[in-house]
Amino acid sequence: QKEVEQDPGPLSVPEGAIVSLNCTYSNSAFQYFMWYRQYSRKGPELLMYTYSSGNKEDGRFTAQVDKSSKYISLFIRDSQPSDSATYLCAIQRGQNFVFGPGTRLSVLP
Amino acid sequence: DAGVIQSPRHEVTEMGQEVTLRCKPISGHDYLFWYRQTMMRGLELLIYFNNNVPIDDSGMPEDRFSAKMPNASFSTLKIQPSEPRDSAVYFCASSLGGQPNEKLFFGSGTQLSVL
Repeated sequence: QKEVEQDPGPLSVPEGAIVSLNCTYSNSAFQYFMWYRQYSRKGPELLMYTYSSGNKEDGRFTAQVDKSSKYISLFIRDSQPSDSATYLCAIQRGQNFVFGPGTRLSVLP
Repeated sequence: DAGVIQSPRHEVTEMGQEVTLRCKPISGHDYLFWYRQTMMRGLELLIYFNNNVPIDDSGMPEDRFSAKMPNASFSTLKIQPSEPRDSAVYFCASSLGGQPNEKLFFGSGTQLSVL
């Protein structure tokens, strides 16, 4: 079993839709969870991070962690064409990071 | 700061040739990571350094791969001899470290094609 699993998509939605991206992880010892966004031909960049169960909001983005289910989610409200990218969930293990395979999102105008 | 700088952006080489990828981390960052990204396997950690010392190289696929960090501002990843299955995007990233260490800063990557 991989440490971090993620539906690779691709996922296409119309502009303005609510997007839900999800990951599961295998090790309950993991404490820190991140979402990275990667545009085509670019390196990933940090979008959000959290280290507790519950929700964290930042503008149109909400990160949610359910440690009992080992499930992390990213919600995007009022999605925009500029949100089209690959979204990677990540967990921190020590000073290392383990990434999910990424979900490719397209937001259609 | 200009961010993490990688060179070259693209590398096309023939099987059996030596390939050297270069990285300049963000000044002041204590940690440097080398990742490889492919469609099949996603983003995989190859090796990471702390204060120029290799800490975990368990992700290096085989002896053909080697990485060095001679000083705080420069690292190389070398593949010798290269094989077609090494074709991928190679990313370098750096971070300040600490707990939580949530923010990795990635370079733009080197697209490697081995023919």
